[in-house]
Amino acid sequence: AQTVTQSQPEMSVQEAETVTLSCTYDTSESDYYLFWYKQPPSRQMILVIRQEAYKQQNATENRFSVNFQKAAKSFSLKISDSQLGDAAMYFCAYRRYNNNDMRFGAGTRLTVKP
Amino acid sequence: DVKVTQSSRYLVKRTGEKVFLECVQDMDHENMFWYRQDPGLGLRLIYFSYDVKMKEKGDIPEGYSVSREKKERFSLILESASTNQTSMYLCASSLTHDTNTEAFFGQGTRLTVV
Repeated sequence: AQTVTQSQPEMSVQEAETVTLSCTYDTSESDYYLFWYKQPPSRQMILVIRQEAYKQQNATENRFSVNFQKAAKSFSLKISDSQLGDAAMYFCAYRRYNNNDMRFGAGTRLTVKP
Repeated sequence: DVKVTQSSRYLVKRTGEKVFLECVQDMDHENMFWYRQDPGLGLRLIYFSYDVKMKEKGDIPEGYSVSREKKERFSLILESASTNQTSMYLCASSLTHDTNTEAFFGQGTRLTVV
C-alpha cells in the first residue's frame, strides 16, 4: 500500500518569510499524482497545488511552489512571502494514476507569526 | 464551484446508537469518499464509491457501512456507535480516476460518541 509521510507535525514562519513543508511517499508506481491541501481553522479542505509524476517541471501557483524529486520520492511545498491567512493544517496526498482513492499524510500545522 | 455538503457540523450520539452521516455533491462526480481525521493520523479512508450502488472498502472500514443510492448522495452509517468512533468525518467527491482532478471536500462533521 502507498504511504505518505509528513515528518513535521508543526512548523512556524514569520510573516513575509519563506517556509518549506516536507512530504515523502512510498510507491512502486511510475504514474501518479501528488497534491498539497490546506485545511484552515474553518475546516474546509482546499487544494493548494498539484503535480503529475510524469512532469519534470515543478508546479507553481502564485506564492506556492513544489520541489518534486521523483527518484527520492519527495514532494515538498514552499510558501513564499508567508501571510497570516496561510496559517492552517497542510496535508500532502498521493493518488495512483488510474485509481480512485487518495492517500494522505498526517499533516503539518503551520503557524504564521506577525 | 463544486459544492460538497455534509448534513451536520456537530453531532453527539450515545454508545450503541445507529448514526447516519449524509453527504451531497452537486457536480455530478462519479467518486465519493468518506475519511476519518484524527490528530497525528491525518485522513484515513473508510469507504469510497465510484458509482451508484458501488462501494469499496478503504483502510478502516470496520464498524462502518455506506450507502449510495443516488449519484449525488453518499451516506456513512455507524451501525452501533462506540466511543472510539469519536472523530472528525470528512466527505469528498471527485471525477473519475483517469483525470488529474483533485478531490473536493465538505466542511466536516465532528462526531462525539458518549
